[in-house]
Amino acid sequence: GAVVSQHPSRVICKSGTSVKIECRSLDFQATTMFWYRQFPKQSLMLMATSNEGSKATYEQGVEKDKFLINHASLTLSTLTVTSAHPEDSSFYICSAIGLAGLTDTQYFGPGTRLTVL
Amino acid sequence: AQSVTQLGSHVSVSEGALVLLRCNYSSSVPPYLFWYVQYPNQGLQLLLKYTSAATLVKGINGFEAEFKKSETSFHLTKPSAHMSDAAEYFCAVSMEYGNKLVFGAGTILRVKS
Repeated sequence: GAVVSQHPSRVICKSGTSVKIECRSLDFQATTMFWYRQFPKQSLMLMATSNEGSKATYEQGVEKDKFLINHASLTLSTLTVTSAHPEDSSFYICSAIGLAGLTDTQYFGPGTRLTVL
Repeated sequence: AQSVTQLGSHVSVSEGALVLLRCNYSSSVPPYLFWYVQYPNQGLQLLLKYTSAATLVKGINGFEAEFKKSETSFHLTKPSAHMSDAAEYFCAVSMEYGNKLVFGAGTILRVKS
């Protein structure tokens, strides 16, 4: 139980284009989803927290207009990287916290490798 | 602000030897503590968590960790390393259920045959 998926697993795009990454909780309802970014050989850095039906809360230094987050349902959150540039190339990982019984642990997706050319 | 320090960015052990990965946290109140493992190009898998119950926590794959409030530590151990344990390990802290995690820098474990 408590499986989180991400799609796509890997994406390559040209500079200036937008990329959408999906995060789904497959077997539970996620009240809260988190988006992290991990640069090579570094730890995970929280970008934003999203709750179903409300606006995401962004961490200091993360541009909310560049990294658009939508948490439209209890099983789906999306991260859109707008006008991507090479410095946005990174490993993006989402996590989810569920309802009763799953509220104290974040379950992580497998990650999405974004490469901006 | 919370912070997590993992001593040793790389740890190398022989197969069958004890694994000890160190984690210290800074917090004015006992937090919730987690250990996650990450294999190359994959997401994180929860190994174990401390949520104010027993101070010695047993996790998956033979790992365990002990919460020591006096030392603000939550070190991860495994009595006998296996080749499949080679991965990167992250210690993380959260101040409340369902809240954001703050991660340590990670420790890469190498297991030698």
